[in-house]
Amino acid sequence: DAGVIQSPRHEVTEMGQEVTLRCKPISGHNSLFWYRQTMMRGLELLIYFNNNVPIDDSGMPEDRFSAKMPNASFSTLKIQPSEPRDSAVYFCASSSGQRVETQYFGPGTRLLVL
Amino acid sequence: AQSVTQLGSHVSVSEGALVLLRCNYSSSVPPYLFWYVQYPNQGLQLLLKYTSAATLVKGINGFEAEFKKSETSFHLTKPSAHMSDAAEYFCAVGEEGGALNFGKGTSLLVTP
Repeated sequence: DAGVIQSPRHEVTEMGQEVTLRCKPISGHNSLFWYRQTMMRGLELLIYFNNNVPIDDSGMPEDRFSAKMPNASFSTLKIQPSEPRDSAVYFCASSSGQRVETQYFGPGTRLLVL
Repeated sequence: AQSVTQLGSHVSVSEGALVLLRCNYSSSVPPYLFWYVQYPNQGLQLLLKYTSAATLVKGINGFEAEFKKSETSFHLTKPSAHMSDAAEYFCAVGEEGGALNFGKGTSLLVTP
């Protein structure tokens, strides 16, 4: 199994630019989670999907952030426009089932907004 | 909402010494509890999880954790630290619907 795949692994962009992060969950998993990790705030849940439907987006910082899951094998997290305070490591994780199951994390995307 | 508190953001132990990382939870229902490990520049990896089947849970790499309801604790232990155990460790509690609430993490340093 390839595990959760994220791309790009590193992204450097300038303030105001659009950033798109991509995630491919483990095949057969029906829940997908986006997290952000910073030194100051630790690991924060941004949004999660179940069967491609967003269940809870209360962690999304503001309207500049949006996430989609057009099918079971692909999700995107978009930041438009990006700001320096968005610099962080963004993780995608997936799990099977609707109850509390083990989440499997991708390697993360390290984002730097200049 | 359910939450966890990890006591000690940094823990240092000597190689071969006991590892003890502390986690206390707050939950109104029987919790699902997890310990994850994060090595530098990598994603989180599951060490072990508690789902009420047994109070003592054994995980990978020689780690184990004991669920103590009376103390609302789920501390992580390993009898003998190895240099390769140096990493960030996260305790987490599961919410209905599948989301996890993570603690702030504890950085484990292992000295020779």
